[in-house]
Amino acid sequence: AQSVTQPDIHITVSEGASLELRCNYSYGATPYLFWYVQSPGQGLQLLLKYFSGDTLVQGIKGFEAEFKRSQSSFNLRKPSVHWSDAAEYFCAVGGGLTGGGNKLTFGTGTQLKVEL
Amino acid sequence: KAGVTQTPRYLIKTRGQQVTLSCSPISGHRSVSWYQQTPGQGLQFLFEYFSETQRNKGNFPGRFSGRQFSNSRSEMNVSTLELGDSALYLCASSPQGHGYEQYFGPGTRLTVT
Repeated sequence: AQSVTQPDIHITVSEGASLELRCNYSYGATPYLFWYVQSPGQGLQLLLKYFSGDTLVQGIKGFEAEFKRSQSSFNLRKPSVHWSDAAEYFCAVGGGLTGGGNKLTFGTGTQLKVEL
Repeated sequence: KAGVTQTPRYLIKTRGQQVTLSCSPISGHRSVSWYQQTPGQGLQFLFEYFSETQRNKGNFPGRFSGRQFSNSRSEMNVSTLELGDSALYLCASSPQGHGYEQYFGPGTRLTVT
């Protein structure tokens, strides 16, 4: 079965600083990988996705992520964080169902705090 | 396009009651998935519907059920509510051919007292 690990529960960065959120996955085949963001009391917003091809993917709000098969990682990055980026970030992997169907397995999330 | 909508947004129920939550997917999306989010267990997959058929189900008791209508709208039902069912219930829809690319609604916050 697939799994996702987000080793950092909380991260605090200063506004304008760079950001990297870590994500490691376990999956037997080529994974479908996603990053979502959740603001308090809200649903999940898709930031970016990786299906195949170029291992560096660009997303919305200036985020990017790099797929590294050798490290089973899909880390999220942003060169300069804005105060509005404070939220919880979830990494997810798609797959793992026999007979087709869609299911996302999520990590436990990383809570990002931005200091002004 | 309008996003995924969920109703109601907030709900308070008593133990033993049942509840029905509704989800309208993005226009043209035929796959609808449901997830439960709690502080202790995180985000867990409940079930997925495609063309009015349940395609997959997560590891939840039979008290959790769902259905999908011909217009792709979906409902989930929880019978005999327990305190542990208090959670944010999220619905997501997917475009055809890109089932893992899921777009989420704002969720329904269920509180069981």
